[in-house]
Amino acid sequence: EPEVTQTPSHQVTQMGQEVILRCVPISNHLYFYWYRQILGQKVEFLVSFYNNEISEKSEIFDDQFSVERPDGSNFTLKIRSTKLEDSAMYFCASRGRPLWGGAGYNEQFFGPGTRLTVL
Amino acid sequence: GDSVTQMEGPVTLSEEAFLTINCTYTATGYPSLFWYVQYPGEGLQLLLKATKADDKGSNKGFEATYRKETTSFHLEKGSVQVSDSAVYFCALSDPLIQGAQKLVFGQGTRLTINP
Repeated sequence: EPEVTQTPSHQVTQMGQEVILRCVPISNHLYFYWYRQILGQKVEFLVSFYNNEISEKSEIFDDQFSVERPDGSNFTLKIRSTKLEDSAMYFCASRGRPLWGGAGYNEQFFGPGTRLTVL
Repeated sequence: GDSVTQMEGPVTLSEEAFLTINCTYTATGYPSLFWYVQYPGEGLQLLLKATKADDKGSNKGFEATYRKETTSFHLEKGSVQVSDSAVYFCALSDPLIQGAQKLVFGQGTRLTINP
């Protein structure tokens, strides 16, 4: 069964350093997402990506964050200068083509997450 | 904006007890509703879904009915097991809004089942 994979599973970094979190979405999916979950809190939407550009981003996704799909398989989240408050679990998700034209529901599949610890 | 509110946790039950986790939502459109489960040390897994009013989603003995009149999507299970111990998230997505269909999550409810 196809699945979303993420690497690394755990990343420890010093404050101010750049980190890149990597995701391999399900092949032939078209929509890609990053969410984060600060320990003990709710899962929050960060950004969505479609057709090689950001389609929506939250207030959390400021200039320190960027996303990229550098090739046909990877989807990355970069944090340029990490802060202590960036410590969280980061989840990647992907979604295929809508089940019927234009709008309509179809499922987002989540990866296992990358735990980012900023010291 | 859209939002989801879940009952406060944690919830602790004995095995074979009846479970209800309340979830209500606020949405500008006509959202699809979901329950996701997060087992210890793992990512999010879709448990069940409903895409229109009065739909009942079900999986692994869990059920939830989309109630438009009360804007609710409560999760129920008739007889819980120790293996159901996890964090449960209610979520919505508005498919009528063109674009990404992001998921909006509730705060999560930690469920612990004792033998």
